[in-house]
Amino acid sequence: AQTVTQSQPEMSVQEAETVTLSCTYDTSENNYYLFWYKQPPSRQMILVIRQEAYKQQNATENRFSVNFQKAAKSFSLKISDSQLGDTAMYFCAFKEYGNKLVFGAGTILRVKS
Amino acid sequence: GAVVSQHPSWVICKSGTSVKIECRSLDFQATTMFWYRQFPKQSLMLMATSNEGSKATYEQGVEKDKFLINHASLTLSTLTVTSAHPEDSSFYICSAPMNTEAFFGQGTRLTVV
Repeated sequence: AQTVTQSQPEMSVQEAETVTLSCTYDTSENNYYLFWYKQPPSRQMILVIRQEAYKQQNATENRFSVNFQKAAKSFSLKISDSQLGDTAMYFCAFKEYGNKLVFGAGTILRVKS
Repeated sequence: GAVVSQHPSWVICKSGTSVKIECRSLDFQATTMFWYRQFPKQSLMLMATSNEGSKATYEQGVEKDKFLINHASLTLSTLTVTSAHPEDSSFYICSAPMNTEAFFGQGTRLTVV
């Protein structure tokens, strides 16, 4: 079965600085999707960024970018110019066959002013 | 993006009663919906997959008689927590896939007293 590992339960970053959240996964599939979701205190799940495994280019969305290393099965999220509104729990997720998402344990990120 | 509406946002019920949570896809048809349970500061745990027109598929360890799922139409799935007990208190989230993405409801905070 596919697994997703987030090894950082909690992280802190100073406002305007850069932080990287790590994620590794295990799968025998060749085609799949990877996601980072943000869950702020409201608990609404918000899609931050997605990556198709067949694409070599790393996805970027404004201040958010990923470092996708397919061979190493690594999918880290970099947040640049951190803002107070980035404070949330972040989940790395893997989409397997049948549309089912597999989530990591999550990383609580606190942005300090 | 697509919208999934989940109601109620929060509910308090007495022990022994049943509670129904609704999840609607507002602008797309969802033949599949996923129901998750989330404890504070933990990841989303998949409970079951509802399929329009057929029986739901439950994850191992989830009591199907306790958590009744009905997917009556292409836009509505419901989760009924039957004979609720305090240990059923949790945050419940639904999700509907469309194309390669998943769209989440706002979540329901259930408190059983």
